[in-house]
Amino acid sequence: KQEVTQIPAALSVPEGENLVLNCSFTDSAIYNLQWFRQDPGKGLTSLLLIQSSQREQTSGRLNASLDKSSGRSTLYIAASQPGDSATYLCAGHMEYGNKLVFGAGTILRVKS
Amino acid sequence: DTEVTQTPKHLVMGMTNKKSLKCEQHMGHRAMYWYKQKAKKPPELMFVYSYEKLSINESVPSRFSPECPNSSLLNLHLHALQPEDSALYLCASSQGRWVTEAFFGQGTRLTVV
Repeated sequence: KQEVTQIPAALSVPEGENLVLNCSFTDSAIYNLQWFRQDPGKGLTSLLLIQSSQREQTSGRLNASLDKSSGRSTLYIAASQPGDSATYLCAGHMEYGNKLVFGAGTILRVKS
Repeated sequence: DTEVTQTPKHLVMGMTNKKSLKCEQHMGHRAMYWYKQKAKKPPELMFVYSYEKLSINESVPSRFSPECPNSSLLNLHLHALQPEDSALYLCASSQGRWVTEAFFGQGTRLTVV
């Protein structure tokens, strides 16, 4: 059974700091890896999708990498802002069928 | 437009009620999903429809009944729910098999009393 783990579970940083969120998965059968943001009580906002053939994707201050051989993905947030405070979830797209397996998330708080 | 619209936003229902959750997307996506999310937990897959056919049912109790009337609409019919079914129900869509960036709606907050 595919398991996705996110470290750390929670993170509190001062505004302006660069930070890294980690995601690891047990099964290399993951096809793509997607990072989401979730604000309290809200739905999920897609941040970045890294396809199986890619190693990295960038959007603004966000950069995500994927290393399928080691079962790891990282989300790098540059120059963090209080508006970045949210829960960040990574999810692996399973290779067979349209199925997302989620990690438990990292709760990020950026202090002003 | 990457919008998935869910209605209603909030729903309170009794254990003997029948209600439905609705989800709509106009991105031409051919895969649609229902996820359930309990507080402080990640979303858990319930159902997947691919090209209007049910392709995955994650052993969900029959009191939850999905329906995909067409490629833009997805319903979740609810009947005889239990208080432990209270959760945020999320709908998502993606272009289809293999092209899989998933887009989520804002969810329906369901409370069963």
